[in-house]
Amino acid sequence: DADVTQTPRNRITKTGKRIMLECSQTKGHDRMYWYRQDPGLGLRLIYYSFDVKDINKGEISDGYSVSRQAQAKFSLSLESAIPNQTALYFCATRDIYGYTFGSGTRLTVV
Amino acid sequence: QQQVKQSPQSLIVQKGGISIINCAYENTAFDYFPWYQQFPGKGPALLIAIRPDVSEKKEGRFTISFNKSAKQFSLHIMDSQPGDSATYFCAASISGNTPLVFGKGTRLSVIA
Repeated sequence: DADVTQTPRNRITKTGKRIMLECSQTKGHDRMYWYRQDPGLGLRLIYYSFDVKDINKGEISDGYSVSRQAQAKFSLSLESAIPNQTALYFCATRDIYGYTFGSGTRLTVV
Repeated sequence: QQQVKQSPQSLIVQKGGISIINCAYENTAFDYFPWYQQFPGKGPALLIAIRPDVSEKKEGRFTISFNKSAKQFSLHIMDSQPGDSATYFCAASISGNTPLVFGKGTRLSVIA
């Protein structure tokens, strides 16, 4: 099993719909992150969490919310999806050696 | 304001050649500089990292060069191979206490 698992891998949704992207990890790390990847823009931070009770906004948090249900689970929600949220979304955990990323969720908003 | 500027956007190198990707940063408090490698359909994976107390770090064919006074660091891939074809991201953070800030990425193609 992968250390960081993201579900779903691909999702197509309609404008205005609420959607949740899920992330779970088996590494036992406290720190978890959500990034968004767009061609030519790199990876941009959406939200991050240092433990279950600590949630922080990143560079591009507008239109997104998160929930840290347990140390192992960190979910990202789009309350009302819009087309410019079409992107590749990555969850990651961190230890002293660096980040471990999941394989990503490709989200298309039509 | 882009905190980490990466160049070039794309790079084509002959097999056996040297690939060089450059990054520049603004925040002098940054003290951890990793490079990530991403293959299509996969998440980025840590390749090599450096802290500013050294000017160079080498792991196999991959070398980071760091210039603190110029606020620049670069990745050199020696004897580039087609299997090195991927997207490379530089990043920076303040120790382990702040999230990584990433450059925009460089798409490397190594051709035979």
